[in-house]
Amino acid sequence: AQSVTQLGSHVSVSEGALVLLRCNYSSSVPPYLFWYVQYPNQGLQLLLKYTSAATLVKGINGFEAEFKKSETSFHLTKPSAHMSDAAEYFCAVSNQAGTALIFGKGTTLSVSS
Amino acid sequence: NAGVTQTPKFRVLKTGQSMTLLCAQDMNHEYMYWYRQDPGMGLRLIHYSVGEGTTAKGEVPDGYNVSRLKKQNFLLGLESAAPSQTSVYFCASSYGQTFNQPQHFGDGTRLSIL
Repeated sequence: AQSVTQLGSHVSVSEGALVLLRCNYSSSVPPYLFWYVQYPNQGLQLLLKYTSAATLVKGINGFEAEFKKSETSFHLTKPSAHMSDAAEYFCAVSNQAGTALIFGKGTTLSVSS
Repeated sequence: NAGVTQTPKFRVLKTGQSMTLLCAQDMNHEYMYWYRQDPGMGLRLIHYSVGEGTTAKGEVPDGYNVSRLKKQNFLLGLESAAPSQTSVYFCASSYGQTFNQPQHFGDGTRLSIL
């Protein structure tokens, strides 16, 4: 069965610093992976998705993620954090039937000035 | 564009009461989903639908029922509310299968059961 594990429930960075949010997946078939962001009191918004076309995926707001099969990882990065990046981030993987997403428990990103 | 609209946004219930949460989407999406979000648990799928007139159980279906009588609407019902169902409920929709179709989320319904 597919699953994702997000390492670190809370990450704090300074404005301008590198953002690294970690996600490892478990899948018996080639995975379809996603990163979503949730701002306070809002629903989730898609940041980016991996569908096997390219291992480095660029998303919105300057975020990108690299698929590494050897490490079963799909970590999210951004070179320079902005205050507006403070939010909760979820990694997700599609189930085999394509009928649902399986979400990680989320990582809250705090950005200080 | 309205996207995915959830009604109501907030609700407080007493144990044993019933209620229905409404989700409406205007994107002509085939798939619709109900999730619950609890602190430290991420999002867990309650029920989903792959088309009008169809429903299926997700990870945590007990205590909930759903209906998809119209393509644009997906209703989530609590027949006899319990304090363990206090949560934030999110509806989502997608054009097709989750392999490459993103899910679009509503802003959530915050439900407290006393």
